[in-house]
Formats: sequence, structure tokens, C-alpha cells
Amino acid sequence: DAGITQSPRHKVTETGTPVTLRCHQTENHRYMYWYRQDPGHGLRLIHYSYGVKDTDKGEVSDGYSVSRSKTEDFLLTLESATSSQTSVYFCAAGSRLAGGSGELFFGEGSRLTVL
Amino acid sequence: SQQGEEDPQALSIQEGENATMNCSYKTSINNLQWYRQNSGRGLVHLILIRSNEREKHSGRLRVTLDTSKKSSSLLITASRAADTASYFCATDASGNQFYFGTGTSLTVIP
Repeated sequence: DAGITQSPRHKVTETGTPVTLRCHQTENHRYMYWYRQDPGHGLRLIHYSYGVKDTDKGEVSDGYSVSRSKTEDFLLTLESATSSQTSVYFCAAGSRLAGGSGELFFGEGSRLTVL
Repeated sequence: SQQGEEDPQALSIQEGENATMNCSYKTSINNLQWYRQNSGRGLVHLILIRSNEREKHSGRLRVTLDTSKKSSSLLITASRAADTASYFCATDASGNQFYFGTGTSLTVIP
């Protein structure tokens, strides 16, 4: 885990409610990522951040927003949760090395169920 | 989708045998990484191979990369029951976006 903490680890919510997942890192990594993992789809990138207040969309960003006001925290928000957003969400963080990107460090995941 | 694909989706072998899994991807890459995921846990980095490398070793792991075929393979030698996990390849095709494949589920039977 290398200092990546996700909260909450489990959440059950109802359709239409807002949900925020938090990722906290202690290693001062510049880059942070949110993925969702679903059977048959592997991990799909939702949003990522390349610095404080610098974020960009991934391949499945619709219905999600993110914010990064501090290096250590990366928030994922579902403004109005839908059943299709039931998934396991993983946060990851990493730093760029000389010659290219380095390894990612992952949190333990947040299991979200939208009823 | 920019995801890669692992093959096979599932693999079951006896302890002591070698396990080989493959990854194909779609775009040019800077590097390719392999990760392992135990059931219910986060992913853990195993090995990174750069686009100008063809083969890399780390302990019982051997990774090859063929950029002309946009494919990579991960070989785990002398497998152990503790190697039972899902294995994913990840590519960073542009900037610092990492795209993962769909994974190979490996079961090592004691």
C-alpha cells in the first residue's frame, strides 16, 4: 500500500445521492489516480491528477468529478449515484522517474453499492 | 477503449510448474508494467519494462516485450500456491495515464 489510504472502505447508498470517496497518501507522490474495477473490464481509469488543482479525465469519467486541493488528498465525487456506478474503486499514486513513469502504489479499494 | 487484453483470462496449474500469461495493447508505449492482485486487495507492482528493452528478470519473474507486435508476456517459474492471484499489465501510452488490461486469474494447485 505504501501509505495509500482510502475511505470509506465500504459504502451502501441509494440512487440519486451524492457520494465522495477519499484517497490519502503520505509519500508526496505527484500523480494520483482513480480507477474502477468491474468483472470482465479490469481496471478503468476515471480521473487522474498531475499536481495540486491539476486534473484530467480518464476513459470512464462521465458521472464523476475529482478535486485535489492538497498533494496528499484526492477526492472522487459521484454527484448523483446510479446503479451502474456500483463497483470497487481504487486509488493509486506514483511519481515520475528519470526516463519515464514509475510504479503505481494502490490503496485497498472502496466497495460502493448503489441501490 | 485503450485497455490492453490479457490472455488467458484464467489459468490453473500445479505447484512447481511455470505460468505464462500474455498482454496485448493498442498504442505506442513508454513502458509496460505488471501488477499482481490478491483477492480483495489492492494491486501490487511486480516489474517494469521500458519500450527499448526486450526482456527483464526479477527473481522468478521474466517479462518480455515485443513493441512491433504490441505484446508482452509474464513468465512465473516454479510456481507456488502463494502465487495464486490475478495479474494485470499496465501501459502508459500518453502523459501519465496508466491503462490496465482485463487481467489473468492464476490458480496454483498445491
